Amino acid sequence: QKEVEQNSGPLSVPEGAIASLNCTYSDRGSQSFFWYRQYSGKSPELIMSIYSNGDKEDGRFTAQLNKASQYVSLLIRDSQPSDSATYLCAVNSETGNQFYFGTGTSLTVIP
Amino acid sequence: DAGVTQSPTHLIKTRGQQVTLRCSPKSGHDTVSWYQQALGQGPQFIFQYYEEEERQRGNFPDRFSGHQFPNYSSELNVNALLLGDSALYLCASSLPPANQGETQYFGPGTRLLVL
Repeated sequence: QKEVEQNSGPLSVPEGAIASLNCTYSDRGSQSFFWYRQYSGKSPELIMSIYSNGDKEDGRFTAQLNKASQYVSLLIRDSQPSDSATYLCAVNSETGNQFYFGTGTSLTVIP
Repeated sequence: DAGVTQSPTHLIKTRGQQVTLRCSPKSGHDTVSWYQQALGQGPQFIFQYYEEEERQRGNFPDRFSGHQFPNYSSELNVNALLLGDSALYLCASSLPPANQGETQYFGPGTRLLVL
């Protein structure tokens, strides 16, 4: 049973549009949730963390968390071609010692 | 502020050989986690080290072992390499997990190819 599930995509949006990325998780004890961006051939780069239900905004990025539904999402506003990458959702274990990653969603922003 | 560093960047080995990968954590971090990322997959947790001990281990065989040194740097050792061990090996450093879990920062990775 997968711990973290993401739509693998690919997801294509035009430049300037909103990209919406979704993630569900199975461990109800998880308390910390993260979004990473990974360019092809590179390592994951942290975009945002979220710990409480609701929205958290950072520039063009908004993370949304709903623990009751075990759902976390990432919205990218005013998408740019440089946002084209794979986006990984990560959820920590109840002990906090282990991150579970989804398989990632590939995003392409079309100029 | 020095980030997470890993060496080597690339490595080619043959089946049955042994390999050692190295990681230095971000300045101020004392916890190191190792992940294996196969092509097209998300990173899979191998183990985490804190205070020179393995704190938690993922679903990997005993061929995968590690070590943490007093300066918090870490090594990942893989024995009896299999073709399926070909992957990007990622090291991530963090502070010790608190109530809400600490953010993990990744190094550039070591790409291992087993022939």
